[in-house]
Amino acid sequence: DAGVIQSPRHEVTEMGQEVTLRCKPISGHNSLFWYRQTMMRGLELLIYFNNNVPIDDSGMPEDRFSAKMPNASFSTLKIQPSEPRDSAVYFCASSFAQGYEQYFGPGTRLTVT
Amino acid sequence: KNQVEQSPQSLIILEGKNCTLQCNYTVSPFSNLRWYKQDTGRGPVSLTIMTFSENTKSNGRYTATLDADTKQSSLHITASQLSDSASYICVVSVNTGFQKLVFGTGTRLLVSP
Repeated sequence: DAGVIQSPRHEVTEMGQEVTLRCKPISGHNSLFWYRQTMMRGLELLIYFNNNVPIDDSGMPEDRFSAKMPNASFSTLKIQPSEPRDSAVYFCASSFAQGYEQYFGPGTRLTVT
Repeated sequence: KNQVEQSPQSLIILEGKNCTLQCNYTVSPFSNLRWYKQDTGRGPVSLTIMTFSENTKSNGRYTATLDADTKQSSLHITASQLSDSASYICVVSVNTGFQKLVFGTGTRLLVSP
């Protein structure tokens, strides 16, 4: 099993640009989570999908952030426009079902200058 | 407000020594408590998971304890190895209709030769 796959691993962009982060969950998992990790705040849940449907997006910081899951094997997190305070590591995780163990991807390190 | 606090923030120990990491939480309603290990540049990996009724769980040289009355948990590492150098994150699962994870900011452990 390849595990959760995220791309890109690193992204450097200028303020105001659009950024798209991608995630491929583990095959057969029906729950997908996007997290953000910073030194100050640690890991925070941004959004949770179950069977491709967003269940909880209360952690999405503001309207500049959006996430989609068009099918069971792909999800995107988009930031438009990006700001320096969005610089963080963004993790995608998936689980077999709600309440089961979550498996994290390697993360995307985003730097907005 | 759901919170998970960890101590110490960082720790340096000599290879072969034991150490104990602490976690205090205030969450409701409590579902379970997990300890994750996060190597530099990687996503978190689960070490242990304990429900309300469990007060100890081991995974090799890692032993976690849970006191649900005082809302405290600890992670004990025995005979530390250089590969134990990582961040250890205490995570409490809150049942809010789905199991939402609340993360501590972690303890950064460095095992020195």
